[in-house]
Amino acid sequence: DSGVTQTPKHLITATGQRVTLRCSPRSGDLSVYWYQQSLDQGLQFLIQYYNGEERAKGNILERFSAQQFPDLHSELNLSSLELGDSALYFCASSVRPENSPLHFGNGTRLTVT
Amino acid sequence: GENVGLHLPTLSVQEGDNSIINCAYSNSASDYFIWYKQESGKGPQFIIDIRSNMDKRQGQRVTVLLNKTVKHLSLQIAATQPGDSAVYFCAENDPVKGSQGNLIFGKGTKLSVKP
Repeated sequence: DSGVTQTPKHLITATGQRVTLRCSPRSGDLSVYWYQQSLDQGLQFLIQYYNGEERAKGNILERFSAQQFPDLHSELNLSSLELGDSALYFCASSVRPENSPLHFGNGTRLTVT
Repeated sequence: GENVGLHLPTLSVQEGDNSIINCAYSNSASDYFIWYKQESGKGPQFIIDIRSNMDKRQGQRVTVLLNKTVKHLSLQIAATQPGDSAVYFCAENDPVKGSQGNLIFGKGTKLSVKP
């Protein structure tokens, strides 16, 4: 068990809808990351937060947004969902903002129909 | 499970043999490297990391080798067990200033251990 908790485990929704994915980092970790894993793209970095502030951005679509709250949990919001957004979404946390192992949760499997 | 749509390299080994999983990384400026193991239905699990000022690091039953000259990373697993069956990913840090926390993942190698 990595200590990173993600909810929900599964999410099925229709195109055009909006969903929120939630992540609680390991105790003591200040940095939170979101990754997308799809069948054809592998693991792709979306965004990183450190102690409540956005630190780095990857290939995150404008329809997606995230935030990290004062209690360090994070949410990833996906809107105007398309079929191609179906994927596994992983949250990870680390104790330092760089050059530190990322510890991953078990992901949220999103299916857009 | 995950990654079934990708054409993943597959390594098949006999239980008890040693496994070597190879990875070519992309950026010569990367200075931090990690190996992850991903089992079906789970998130990537940290195995071992290495910084660019080292060329070898050992853990429990695992060894990571780094060859910066040819941008090559390998993971050696001693006495491979059925529980080692999984997809293994190498990852490098993003060398862009301000983004070094981000890890860039390789496509993965599927390890199958035959009992």
